[in-house]
Amino acid sequence: NAGVTQTPKFQVLKTGQSMTLQCAQDMNHNSMYWYRQDPGMGLRLIYYSASEGTTDKGEVPNGYNVSRLNKREFSLRLESAAPSQTSVYFCASSEPGTDSYNEQFFGPGTRLTVL
Amino acid sequence: DQQVKQNSPSLSVQEGRISILNCDYTNSMFDYFLWYKKYPAEGPTFLISISSIKDKNEDGRFTVFLNKSAKHLSLHIVPSQPGDSAVYFCAAMYGGSNYKLTFGKGTLLTVNP
Repeated sequence: NAGVTQTPKFQVLKTGQSMTLQCAQDMNHNSMYWYRQDPGMGLRLIYYSASEGTTDKGEVPNGYNVSRLNKREFSLRLESAAPSQTSVYFCASSEPGTDSYNEQFFGPGTRLTVL
Repeated sequence: DQQVKQNSPSLSVQEGRISILNCDYTNSMFDYFLWYKKYPAEGPTFLISISSIKDKNEDGRFTVFLNKSAKHLSLHIVPSQPGDSAVYFCAAMYGGSNYKLTFGKGTLLTVNP
């Protein structure tokens, strides 16, 4: 089992460019999440998908869109990148309400720099 | 408005001694708390959790204590090992929030040999 995988690992964009961060999980989890981590800020939730076919905004959704392509995949899109979106992005998945005690499993992250 | 607070950005301890990491929360609806550990260039990994109906949970060298009246929890690591050096995040959730986690800013633990 690969767990949660993210692509790419690193990306450099120019202001105004667009890109999509990909995330996939092989644990058959219903819920998936996108976070960003900035220095001194902890992890902040961007968007989440409680189940296939649903998506909802988190704490910092502005400038992002998401797609829950199927149960395995949850992508994050930046339509017009800005320097303020320079960050490390983490995808996570979970199966809430089970004996796993609501643990979220995280991917290795994508380090994005916007110039 | 920060609902989960880790007021110590860093902590340094000697190998073999106890490490105590603290976390405070303001939202009384939180009913489940988790600690995550993060090494550089990796994603966070789950360490230990506690439900609000308990005041202590233990897993090997790691123990989490919850004081609901004070809205405070702590993670104890005994004995501390150099491999424990990492950033530790406190996180909280409640069922009505669609199981979304709210994270603290993290505490960098350094265990010196």
